[in-house]
Amino acid sequence: GENVEQHPSTLSVQEGDSAVIKCTYSDSASNYFPWYKQELGKRPQLIIDIRSNVGEKKDQRIAVTLNKTAKHFSLHITETQPEDSAVYFCAASIGGSYIPTFGRGTSLIVHP
Amino acid sequence: DSGVTQTPKHLITATGQRVTLRCSPRSGDLSVYWYQQSLDQGLQFLIQYYNGEERAKGNILERFSAQQFPDLHSELNLSSLELGDSALYFCASSVLSGTGNTEAFFGQGTRLTVV
Repeated sequence: GENVEQHPSTLSVQEGDSAVIKCTYSDSASNYFPWYKQELGKRPQLIIDIRSNVGEKKDQRIAVTLNKTAKHFSLHITETQPEDSAVYFCAASIGGSYIPTFGRGTSLIVHP
Repeated sequence: DSGVTQTPKHLITATGQRVTLRCSPRSGDLSVYWYQQSLDQGLQFLIQYYNGEERAKGNILERFSAQQFPDLHSELNLSSLELGDSALYFCASSVLSGTGNTEAFFGQGTRLTVV
């Protein structure tokens, strides 16, 4: 089955800095890559996703890049704010089945 | 509000007991997924149902079982509970379009504490 590795497990930045979280996946059949944000004690919520026919997608301060050849994708957050502090999960799923396999999560801490 | 409803929100029970967690998916979503999230752990996929049928199994213990009813709500049954089963259990639902994957919407979760 699919295996998703996520790094780093913890990321501490100063407000205004950029943050980058990287994930790799194992199954070349995966074609959908969502990113979820989970605030403390709350449910995971989708913040951005990308499909395999696209190399990059941007939504305001967040962007995701995908390298199908290398089987890795990354989340970029610019101009970080304290409210960005949360656990971020990447996931990969195979077309048609949609069983997202999640990475272990990255705890992002943005210091004011 | 994601539209996915899970009950109860909290559950405390003793080892050896059996509990049932309930999930109502978003209106129109045929696919339901169950995930387990332990302390400092990621989201471990347990099982998926689609329109009443089991579609895929992940790392689900034999002591655990699930089903999806005709009205599309789903229940996760956990039996012979052990301390290590203490976790946050999430249900998610999605449309699961045949033309491509779509977003999974998560419920608020049920926090299970086994004492």
